[in-house]
This record gives sequence, structure tokens and C-alpha cells, in this order.
Amino acid sequence: DAKTTQPNSMESNEEEPVHLPCNHSTISGTDYIHWYRQLPSQGPEYVIHGLTSNVNNRMASLAIAEDRKSSTLILHRATLRDAAVYYCILRVKPMNYGGSQGNLIFGKGTKLSVKP
Amino acid sequence: DTAVSQTPKYLVTQMGNDKSIKCEQNLGHDTMYWYKQDSKKFLKIMFSYNNKELIINETVPNRFSPKSPDKAHLNLHINSLELGDSAVYFCASSQDWSGNEQFFGPGTRLTVL
Repeated sequence: DAKTTQPNSMESNEEEPVHLPCNHSTISGTDYIHWYRQLPSQGPEYVIHGLTSNVNNRMASLAIAEDRKSSTLILHRATLRDAAVYYCILRVKPMNYGGSQGNLIFGKGTKLSVKP
Repeated sequence: DTAVSQTPKYLVTQMGNDKSIKCEQNLGHDTMYWYKQDSKKFLKIMFSYNNKELIINETVPNRFSPKSPDKAHLNLHINSLELGDSAVYFCASSQDWSGNEQFFGPGTRLTVL
């Protein structure tokens, strides 16, 4: 399984942008970069995913390096509600029905704290 | 209007007992999953069902038996509970088996004494 490396923890101030880095130097051409987050005592929540181009949605932006060996999740204005563990996951889009190659494999993630 | 719901939220039981956790999704999704999050907070997939058919079984002990009566429900039955089964179990669903965006339930915290 392709691996990702994230800082264990990061701190941010409320209403400031947050850049959460993820290194994935062994990424293959078919790996998508997924981000999920898990708020305290809740289930994981999908944030965003991308393959090569930068992606934006209502929650965040995903900036992918040109060589795809790293990516950054950008929260444009952190709120207290954004305090969570953020997981960067490499995932192959399954080509075969029933294959486990597309499983989401969660690592330790980055614990983001947001200060008021 | 909860998208993915699980019952119960908490489950405390003795070793050797049999228990079930229920999951329902009202998103009209075809694919559902069970994940286990252990005490070290690692989250691992256990099973996946697509339209009531088992498609992923990640070498989980056969004491764990998922059952999908219809595509909106995926229940998890656990026989002969062991101490090591204590964890938080999350149900999830996705539109289809490609699973690009998975929606997770709130979790069931199982404690085996």
C-alpha cells in the first residue's frame, strides 16, 4: 500500500488559513489523494479528493504538487469546528468489482487544534 | 434526517456473549461498509457489501458475521465476544462500489468486560 506521511499535530488560530501537508513520495499513477477528517467522538467525514489537478469544494482546497509526491489541504478560514484529525489517504480507484485494492487505509493523521 | 445511523451508540457486555450492531443509511447508496477503530485510533475496514452482496472481507475472524437484509441496512453480529473486540465500530456507505466518497455513521463503542 502506498504510504503517506503527515505531521502528528498542528495548531491554527481561528479565522486564519490552515495548510495541512502530506507527503506521498511513493505515489503511483493510479493513486487518488483523499482527505477525510474525524471530529472528536464522531465518524470520519469526507473532505476532498483529487488525482493531478488542484481541487476546490465548499469545505477546502487540495493543492497537488506537480510531481504528485506531496499535497496540501487548505482550509481557507479555520473555525473552532475544524478542530479534528485530518487523514491523507492514497487510494486506487477500484477497477474490479469486489477488489480490496480501493480500500481506504487510514494512518495516524494530523491532529489540528484551533485556538480562538 | 441522519444519513447513516447506527444503534446502539454504546454497548457494554461480558466476554463470551453474542451481540449485534445495526446500521441504516437513507442516502439511497448501493455500497455499505463496516470499519473498526481500535484503542490506538487506527481505523480499518472489515467488510463491504454492494447491493446486499459481500464484496470485501478483510480477514476478519468468522465470529463476525455481517448481514444485509436490503441495500439500506448492514448489520454486524459478533459471536463469543473477546476482550480484543473492544473498539469503536463505524458503518459507512457510498454511492457505488467505487467508493469515492464514503459517509460514516456516528460509531458504536463496544466494551467487552
